[in-house]
This record gives sequence, structure tokens and C-alpha cells, in this order.
Amino acid sequence: QVQLQESGPGLVKPSQTLSLTCTVSGGSISSSAYYWNWIRQHPGKGLEWIGYIYYGGSTYYNPSLKSRVAISLDTSKNQFSLKLSSVTAADTAIYYCARICSSTSCYRWAIDYWGQGTLVTVSS
Amino acid sequence: QSVVTQPPSVSAAPGQKVTISCSGSSSNIGNNYVSWYQHFPGTAPKLLIYENEKRPSGIPDRFSGSKSGTSATLGITGLQTGDEADYFCATWDSSHKVFGGGTKLTVL
Repeated sequence: QVQLQESGPGLVKPSQTLSLTCTVSGGSISSSAYYWNWIRQHPGKGLEWIGYIYYGGSTYYNPSLKSRVAISLDTSKNQFSLKLSSVTAADTAIYYCARICSSTSCYRWAIDYWGQGTLVTVSS
Repeated sequence: QSVVTQPPSVSAAPGQKVTISCSGSSSNIGNNYVSWYQHFPGTAPKLLIYENEKRPSGIPDRFSGSKSGTSATLGITGLQTGDEADYFCATWDSSHKVFGGGTKLTVL
């Protein structure tokens, strides 16, 4: 059974960089079938897709966040990470890591596995 | 403001049927698959429908999905109190993922 687990500081100061890691168990992060995503939910609001990284290291980011976001892959640890720079209170949200499968042997193009989410608060 | 819109809330009585709409445009729903998720606050969202109308293993046939043009619909029949949750749709738009704003289902 694939499991994703977010980890990182729950409190970040304004103007600093938010850093989160997602540890994947039960499956390889190196498979060409998967896109590894970060998604967030502001308090009381809908979901916002932040971006994804593909197994070869290719990334694609939400245009509204692109200038501040970096997603990376650590295949040796089966992890992928998010860095969001110059944060403000508007970046306070629950952050989820998630998997999208592109293969016809899975639930194609849907988010089939999610982490539990981690609340990150931006405050001084 | 999401480019894909859902009603903020819907409600129905136990045993009844409810539908939740997801409206977009040709750049997203019109030319991409739609998926649907059930979300209980504080937990990981759960995939209910993928590729517009397909159900993952273990999802009861009380849940159904359809798509027509630039809109998609989630249907839930035989409502149960345990279905009370947030539901949201997702699709692609210019190579990035977009979500509907979410719909809160109340089972009266």
C-alpha cells in the first residue's frame, strides 16, 4: 500500500522559505508512471495546486506561484520536497503531497494517493 | 477564484439522490478528464471518480460521474449520513492541475 507523509516546520516567519518533505513508502518514486505533487488548502477555502515533479526531474508549477516555488526529488530517500520562498500570511495553509498516475494500469490522471496534510502557519 | 466552479453547498435527505456540478471551459474540462474526491476535514481526500466516469476499486456504485461539454457532474444515490463531507472536482488546464472550489454536502 502506497503511503505519503509530509514533514517540516509548522511555523515559518514572514519573508522566510517554507520547506516541506514528502516521504513515499510502498512504491518507488523513480517510476516513470508517476507525477509527484504539492497541493495546498487555505483555511476554509478550496484546493490550490502548487506544482509537480516527474521522475526524471522535470517540474511544472502553478503560474501564480512559479517565481517562488521549487520542487525537487531525492530518489535515494524516496522523497520529494517543496520550497516556497518569501512567504507571507497568505501562504498559511494545509499542505498536501500527492501522487498522480499517468499509466493505463492505474487511475489515470487522477490523484490516487494523498498525504494526510500538514498545517503551515506563517507568522512572526 | 477557481477557473472551475462548483456550488458551495448542496443538501438532501437520507436515501435521496444528489448531484454536484463542476463547470469549466474548453481549456480545462472541455478537453481533459475530470476526477472527483471526497474530503473529510483533517483527513486525506479520497478518489471517487476518475476519467470522468470510472470508479476506483472499492468505491460503491452509489457514486457516479459524467461529463458533457465543459461541465461534469457527480451523482450520489442512496444518501447516507456518512456521506456528509466536502466534494471537489479536479481536471487539467494548460498542463497544470485545477480544482473546483468544493461543495459541502449536508445530509439532512
